[in-house]
Amino acid sequence: SAVISQKPSRDICQRGTSLTIQCQVDSQVTMMFWYRQQPGQSLTLIATANQGSEATYESGFVIDKFPISRPNLTFSTLTVSNMSPEDSSIYLCSVQPRTASTDTQYFGPGTRLTVL
Amino acid sequence: LAKTTQPISMDSYEGQEVNITCSHNNIATNDYITWYQQFPSQGPRFIIQGYKTKVTNEVASLFIPADRKSSTLSLPRVSLSDTAVYYCLVDQRTGGFKTIFGAGTRLFVKA
Repeated sequence: SAVISQKPSRDICQRGTSLTIQCQVDSQVTMMFWYRQQPGQSLTLIATANQGSEATYESGFVIDKFPISRPNLTFSTLTVSNMSPEDSSIYLCSVQPRTASTDTQYFGPGTRLTVL
Repeated sequence: LAKTTQPISMDSYEGQEVNITCSHNNIATNDYITWYQQFPSQGPRFIIQGYKTKVTNEVASLFIPADRKSSTLSLPRVSLSDTAVYYCLVDQRTGGFKTIFGAGTRLFVKA
């Protein structure tokens, strides 16, 4: 298994500003993922972040809006840039541990973002 | 990418067995079926994964027919704490790993 922490757990931000969300894992993992979950909705994959390569973004998400860093095998950041109220959501990171016998993903607790 | 379809919501009572069926008609040969559970204000938690026939662990059973176009998550003797959203996913393993979440099933267990 993997233990994942996210910072901040929640934040209230002003329109036009940016917020960087941190994701820390207690073990080395190759694959990390960032999701968005709007209130009452399912999870939407934003991007896949593998260490040593550029993040791969899903349709509807672009690097200028959601830049991602993956400096090592235990850490990643997601920045929500030039925020608007439509960006209010829960942002979750997840990992697929190297040692997993199945393609199990482990999720962080999420970051609840409110944009005013 | 295989799309999943599952009931939006289900109600049950404590002590009953709950079966949630998921359709995935376009599942590919190498894809696995995975179920996650999510409580409010928490990230999803892995429940069970399977490829075919039946898989059982300490939490649930997963039944997958031979054509693999559907699967059924079985929760034995549910309790109030099993109230959550349950997601059926098809883990794409062809052309790179990717997991896409469907709408999920909101299970509400009553006393």
